[in-house]
Amino acid sequence: DTAVSQTPKYLVTQMGNDKSIKCEQNLGHDTMYWYKQDSKKFLKIMFSYNNKELIINETVPNRFSPKSPDKAHLNLHINSLELGDSAVYFCASSYGTGNTGNTIYFGEGSWLTVV
Amino acid sequence: GENVEQHPSTLSVQEGDSAVIKCTYSDSASNYFPWYKQELGKRPQLIIDIRSNVGEKKDQRIAVTLNKTAKHFSLHITETQPEDSAVYFCAAKPPGFQKLVFGTGTRLLVSP
Repeated sequence: DTAVSQTPKYLVTQMGNDKSIKCEQNLGHDTMYWYKQDSKKFLKIMFSYNNKELIINETVPNRFSPKSPDKAHLNLHINSLELGDSAVYFCASSYGTGNTGNTIYFGEGSWLTVV
Repeated sequence: GENVEQHPSTLSVQEGDSAVIKCTYSDSASNYFPWYKQELGKRPQLIIDIRSNVGEKKDQRIAVTLNKTAKHFSLHITETQPEDSAVYFCAAKPPGFQKLVFGTGTRLLVSP
């Protein structure tokens, strides 16, 4: 009964490859996110979707393309992987997009290593 | 945009001592301040949060204080235990879309 689940958990791939990470939440939330955590543990938002619509798009290379087929799913596709893309990618979800803060729930993370 | 600074980056305490982690934020309109705990190899998990209309909140051994005038907020852990060892992140939510801006994290080590 995992609330926010993402696959794969571990991914090792060569430079130049294209890869995808999938995320699903069963909490009934309407907002989903992708966060990146680098080797120094910094957590930074990449994208956010509300009801399948992109609402936050931080300064991220356009090699990263999110896609939300429905409000329970948010996938991340990465083209032409580079060494610097190695990081942990966390999917997350919450209610609402409004001015009040709502708890953000994180998935278990996807460890991406580019060699 | 919002910027959150967090100190210290590393904190070592003896079991039973108190630990305090401090964060400052730049956007005076930010209105929500959660704290997340991340154990090694695990996901960040919310441990406590506070909204801008409240000055202090407590939950058993943990408490958070907020000073809106000074734009800083702090996490207090009393009677620390080895299982409190983890990386702790503060965050601030600026007005508008749901978007948390995280601090740089504090690695807390509690020695038995």
